[in-house]
Order: sequence, then C-alpha cells, then structure tokens
Amino acid sequence: SQELEQSPQSLIVQEGKNLTINCTSSKTLYGLYWYKQKYGEGLIFLMMLQKGGEEKSHEKITAKLDEKKQQSSLHITASQPSHAGIYLCGAYGVNYGQNFVFGPGTRLSVLP
Amino acid sequence: ETGVTQTPRHLVMGMTNKKSLKCEQHLGHNAMYWYKQSAKKPLELMFVYSLEERVENNSVPSRFSPECPNSSHLFLHLHTLQPEDSALYLCASSRASGGAGSYEQYFGPGTRLTVT
Repeated sequence: SQELEQSPQSLIVQEGKNLTINCTSSKTLYGLYWYKQKYGEGLIFLMMLQKGGEEKSHEKITAKLDEKKQQSSLHITASQPSHAGIYLCGAYGVNYGQNFVFGPGTRLSVLP
Repeated sequence: ETGVTQTPRHLVMGMTNKKSLKCEQHLGHNAMYWYKQSAKKPLELMFVYSLEERVENNSVPSRFSPECPNSSHLFLHLHTLQPEDSALYLCASSRASGGAGSYEQYFGPGTRLTVT
C-alpha cells in the first residue's frame, strides 16, 4: 500500500467554490510539503509544514498539519481556473528515512 | 521559472539507443535528485546526490546511470531501455539535507521520454 494517500483522487468544482484536499500518512509525519503540477510539467513548491498544528497560507491556499492524525489538508478558497492542476503532498523524516515520498496526487479541474 | 532547467524536453529513443538527460540548477543548491513519473503511479525517487556524492539509489535498474560532475549539473545516462521506461523524468534540487531533516525541492520541467 502507498505510504501517502490523497483524497479525493480527482475533483471538479465550479469557479468560486471552496475545496479541500487531504493527505494521510501511514507513518509519523516529520514534515510535509505541498506541490502543484500542471499536466506534463514540473512541480511547483507551494508550502512546507513542519510542526503539529501548523497552518500556512499563500494567496487563497491554506494548508494545515495534524501530526496526531498523520494528516494534512489543503484548502482553496474561491477557486479560479488558474488553480487547476495536480496537487501532490510529499513527506520526509524519521520514518521515511532519507527518502522523500510523494502521494499519488489529486487532479483538480475548475470550471469557469 | 524555478531555476532548474532540463534538456531535452522530449526524447524518443529506440531500445538499443544510448542517450543522456541533462539537468542544471541555478539556485546555489548542493543536492540534486532524479525522479520518474509514470502514468497512474506516484512520483518515484530514483537517485539523490548530496555534495556531489550519491546518497540514494532506490533499486533502479543499471540501464539508468546517473552522473553528477558538480553541484550545478546532473545527468541521467540511458542505454538499452525498455518500453515500460517511458515516463516523465524530473530533476530537482535543494539545499543539502542532514539527519532526518530536509529542505523543499525545486523541480525542472521534466523530460518526456518515449521508448519505442
């Protein structure tokens, strides 16, 4: 089974709607990253969370880390077509060794 | 622009060919990574170089051979590949990690490889 699970696998929303993507780890999270990828292109770093309960925001995107639940959520407020893409969470740390592990991604489409 | 460039962007090669992928970073980082991204599979870490020494090799077949001549450049040499090796190959760089900590990685645009 995968070490990082993401839900949902894909999401279609109307422009202006809010949405949440979740990332759940099978191991203790030491740190977690969120990235965005446009189809067939490289990953763009969004934000990094390192402490339990930490919450960060960048423009209309907010991410939280719940260490106890080994989970992170990414929330987009008032979605826009420019938010469309694949969102990936990545984790590193004690239980992942020196490896950096990625989730399978959540594909987001935003309808104008 | 992330400060990491990859060439070529697209590559079609036969199973008997030899080719190389190139990655260059302009961020002053000293760790570099190769990842493979196949359809319907999570991103897979292939190789990690930190301070120009290979620190990770995740059971990658020997038909993939990395080279890191300096902290700004990373190559992936390919020979006698199989059709299942067709994928998007992504390069990334970061500050060198130590212990259990790590730094965010910055990715190049990728090379779309098709093996015929």
